[in-house]
Amino acid sequence: GAGVSQSPRYKVAKRGQDVALRCDPISGHVSLFWYQQALGQGPEFLTYFQNEAQLDKSGLPSDRFFAERPEGSVSTLKIQRTQQEDSAVYLCASSLDGLAGYEQYFGPGTRLTVT
Amino acid sequence: SQQGEEDPQALSIQEGENATMNCSYKTSINNLQWYRQNSGRGLVHLILIRSNEREKHSGRLRVTLDTSKKSSSLLITASRAADTASYFCATRLGSKLTFGTGTRLQVTL
Repeated sequence: GAGVSQSPRYKVAKRGQDVALRCDPISGHVSLFWYQQALGQGPEFLTYFQNEAQLDKSGLPSDRFFAERPEGSVSTLKIQRTQQEDSAVYLCASSLDGLAGYEQYFGPGTRLTVT
Repeated sequence: SQQGEEDPQALSIQEGENATMNCSYKTSINNLQWYRQNSGRGLVHLILIRSNEREKHSGRLRVTLDTSKKSSSLLITASRAADTASYFCATRLGSKLTFGTGTRLQVTL
């Protein structure tokens, strides 16, 4: 079946612009995760949803970052007033149930470049 | 912030040789997982070892875990050119995965 998909795959934004990154999880997966991966580093946790509930947003680096999953399926990560340090690959992952420890399946990521 | 360090940062071997990567972490864990990442296939889960396990095998992969030293190792035997990728360990506590800094493996013919 289809895996996790993300769009767009590449995004170039001018500093100060707002961006919205979309994640389509695997159908039926309850849990959804967002990670940020800087060049040459491992992914870093941003936030986690169980259905539509955002249970953990401790990794969001500032109040310019906002994530939602209103119907418990598709999720959007929004970054307001982008800064150069926001340049990174943003990865989305889904799992059957994050609390139960099921494997996370990752999407291909969105590479954001802020100029 | 990253959970810990992986060692070495980069490794270059010839096809057929074994590759060993090490991972150290800082906090208690439920389990530790290894992932592979390359440009073609993104981040792919390889193997999971629980905190009460010491060793696990999957095909050409062997993982060890020493919770007293907060460290793990990944051994890839009989490496192939297709194993060229970055390898990350990730520790799980609750629902959160915390990744290491990664080892870049280059397998040459």
